Amino acid sequence: AQSVTQLDSHVSVSEGTPVLLRCNYSSSYSPSLFWYVQHPNKGLQLLLKYTSAATLVKGINGFEAEFKKSETSFHLTKPSAHMSDAAEYFCVVSDRDGGSQGNLIFGKGTKLSVKP
Amino acid sequence: DSGVTQTPKHLITATGQRVTLRCSPRSGDLSVYWYQQSLDQGLQFLIQYYNGEERAKGNILERFSAQQFPDLHSELNLSSLELGDSALYFCASSPTGTPYNEQFFGPGTRLTVL
Repeated sequence: AQSVTQLDSHVSVSEGTPVLLRCNYSSSYSPSLFWYVQHPNKGLQLLLKYTSAATLVKGINGFEAEFKKSETSFHLTKPSAHMSDAAEYFCVVSDRDGGSQGNLIFGKGTKLSVKP
Repeated sequence: DSGVTQTPKHLITATGQRVTLRCSPRSGDLSVYWYQQSLDQGLQFLIQYYNGEERAKGNILERFSAQQFPDLHSELNLSSLELGDSALYFCASSPTGTPYNEQFFGPGTRLTVL
């Protein structure tokens, strides 16, 4: 069965410092992995996705994530945080093969706060 | 703006009542997905429709049902509402029936059951 664990429910950084949001996944088959962002009172927006091409994936707004199969991790990073990055971030896994229909399984979310 | 629209934005109702949430997918998208987001359960997949047919079911209660119409808009019906049904309900759409590609989310409908 597939699952995803976001290791921190809340991360606080200062503006201009690096961001690291951690995610571990469990998947029986070849996973697709996503990071979505949800700003307050808004819907979810795709930041980036991994679907078995390059292991380092670049997304929007300067975010990137690295797929590490040996560690079953897909951590999200950004070199320099912006005030506008304050939001909730969801790590998402989907099996692309197998009988699970490949539906998205969401982590519990990590709330990112950015201090001036 | 994702191109997915949901109405209404907010809904306040009483226990035991029935409500209908509406979703219009992006132009050209054939799949519609419904999700429930609550504080205790997080974001959970409820159900997927593809081109009018039910494709996959997640953690959807028997009191809930959905359908997708010929014009591809979808409705989620919630009946015999309980306090615990209070949540944000999202609709998402994608071009194909394979959910592991990108899904485009609407702004959500916030349901409050009193």
